[in-house]
Amino acid sequence: GENVEQHPSTLSVQEGDSAVIKCTYSDSASNYFPWYKQELGKRPQLIIDIRSNVGEKKDQRIAVTLNKTAKHFSLHITETQPEDSAVYFCAAGTPADYKLSFGAGTTVTVRA
Amino acid sequence: NAGVTQTPKFQVLKTGQSMTLQCAQDMNHEYMSWYRQDPGMGLRLIHYSVGAGITDQGEVPNGYNVSRSTTEDFPLRLLSAAPSQTSVYFCASSYRPDNYGYTFGSGTRLTVV
Repeated sequence: GENVEQHPSTLSVQEGDSAVIKCTYSDSASNYFPWYKQELGKRPQLIIDIRSNVGEKKDQRIAVTLNKTAKHFSLHITETQPEDSAVYFCAAGTPADYKLSFGAGTTVTVRA
Repeated sequence: NAGVTQTPKFQVLKTGQSMTLQCAQDMNHEYMSWYRQDPGMGLRLIHYSVGAGITDQGEVPNGYNVSRSTTEDFPLRLLSAAPSQTSVYFCASSYRPDNYGYTFGSGTRLTVV
């Protein structure tokens, strides 16, 4: 099955700086890569996703990049704000078994 | 449109007790799953269903049962609770998780003493 590795496990940044989270996946057939944000005590919520036919996608201060050859994808958050503090999960979707496999998560703390 | 509704939000069980975590969705999603979330271990798949009447095991199924008699409901049963099952449980649903991701319920925090 698909194996998704996520780094780093924790990330502390100064408010206004950028944050980058990286994920790698093992199944070359995976073609859908969402990112979820989970605030403390809340449910994971989809914040952005990218499909395998696209190399980069942006939505205001967040962007995702995908390198299918290297089998890795990244989340970039620019001009970080305190409300960006949360746990972020990457995931990879594999059409063969209709499953979504999650990374272990990154705890992001934005220091004021 | 309520999305994915989970009950209860909190539960304390004694070792050996059984209980059912309820999950319902009103989005007509075929795919439903149960995950458990433990510190540092991300989201681990317990059981999933690709439609009414069809269920399958995920990566950590032991100690749990599921059924899918309707499209809307996907209850998770703990047969004989153990302290190792202390966790936060999330139900999730989707049209196609590998292509659209999941909508998650609000979670159930379970403590087994």
